[in-house]
Amino acid sequence: EPEVTQTPSHQVTQMGQEVILRCVPISNHLYFYWYRQILGQKVEFLVSFYNNEISEKSEIFDDQFSVERPDGSNFTLKIRSTKLEDSAMYFCASSETGIGGETQYFGPGTRLLVL
Amino acid sequence: GENVEQHPSTLSVQEGDSAVIKCTYSDSASNYFPWYKQELGKGPQLIIDIRSNVGEKKDQRIAVTLNKTAKHFSLHITETQPEDSAVYFCAASKGDNFNKFYFGSGTKLNVKP
Repeated sequence: EPEVTQTPSHQVTQMGQEVILRCVPISNHLYFYWYRQILGQKVEFLVSFYNNEISEKSEIFDDQFSVERPDGSNFTLKIRSTKLEDSAMYFCASSETGIGGETQYFGPGTRLLVL
Repeated sequence: GENVEQHPSTLSVQEGDSAVIKCTYSDSASNYFPWYKQELGKGPQLIIDIRSNVGEKKDQRIAVTLNKTAKHFSLHITETQPEDSAVYFCAASKGDNFNKFYFGSGTKLNVKP
């Protein structure tokens, strides 16, 4: 069964450094998402992406964050200058068409620790 | 915006018993409600979902019920097995374009053999 993959599984970085989290969505899916989960808190929406553009972003997704689909398979989340509070599990998800009420398939996540 | 509350945060049952997890939502425009199971070290996996045009959906040992008037929905697992032990998340979506999900806080289910 096709699945969403993410790399790396764990990332440790120093505050102020840039990190890039990578995701490979399911191949025929057109809509891509990033969510994050701070330890002990809810999974929160960050951004949705379609046709090489951001469709929607949350208030969390400030100028330090960016997303990109650099090629036909990868979908990346970049944090330009990491802060301690960026430490969280980051999940990538994809859905086939993005229409209302459609299932999103999640990757296994990248655990980011900012020191 | 939407707010999804989930209870209980932890649930321990004996193998073979039933487990029920409840969620409430605040936005009456929400119309899609998926449930995800997350095992240790893995991402959330969809186990069942329900849309607002039905009140109940069942898939083998798993069922979901939806009460639109009261704005709550529940996950029911019957004949629980140790492999059902995981964290379960409910979510709600308005079903509009791009389909942003609002998640509950999760329930850690422990099924004791």
